[in-house]
Amino acid sequence: QQQVKQSPQSLIVQKGGISIINCAYENTAFDYFPWYQQFPGKGPALLIAIRPDVSEKKEGRFTISFNKSAKQFSLHIMDSQPGDSATYFCAASRYGNNRLAFGKGNQVVVIP
Amino acid sequence: EPEVTQTPSHQVTQMGQEVILRCVPISNHLYFYWYRQILGQKVEFLVSFYNNEISEKSEIFDDQFSVERPDGSNFTLKIRSTKLEDSAMYFCASSEDGEKLFFGSGTQLSVL
Repeated sequence: QQQVKQSPQSLIVQKGGISIINCAYENTAFDYFPWYQQFPGKGPALLIAIRPDVSEKKEGRFTISFNKSAKQFSLHIMDSQPGDSATYFCAASRYGNNRLAFGKGNQVVVIP
Repeated sequence: EPEVTQTPSHQVTQMGQEVILRCVPISNHLYFYWYRQILGQKVEFLVSFYNNEISEKSEIFDDQFSVERPDGSNFTLKIRSTKLEDSAMYFCASSEDGEKLFFGSGTQLSVL
């Protein structure tokens, strides 16, 4: 059962451009939606997270947009830098239940 | 910055052998987890542990798996009789609040 689906699978962006990664979920009981960033040889690191009571959350160059009716949320990386090149995972869980359901991951490559 | 430490980084074992994967969570964290990622697939939840007991486990976490917090600092995952399909990257994670998870760099388990 694919509870969380990510798209696109991979993304190549010019330095300074905007990277957009989309995620769709199935379980309407989910109410916590984090994005994780993973560099080669490292574990996933929490980047930013949102709850469905807001439609957008911004932290520095990273923004999550959330659409509850469509059961979708997306990560926007503004002014993408080569150091942002990584794999990005969306995830979802029910608040208070730490069983994160992860998406398959998107590889983002930012070229100079 | 405090981090979750996992040892070993790579483990090779023969099918049917027992393995123990070790983790040192962040010191003031109370919630502990194991996730795994089979090559090319998504990160999957195995088990969560709180207050010295399993709080939740997935369908993957069958009788061959066990977890233990043998002292105040370590958190271990034991696989009693490894199978080929247990080959994966195993991530330990810990959390102070049960929401924001901090992952270790993983142990790559190869079962031959």
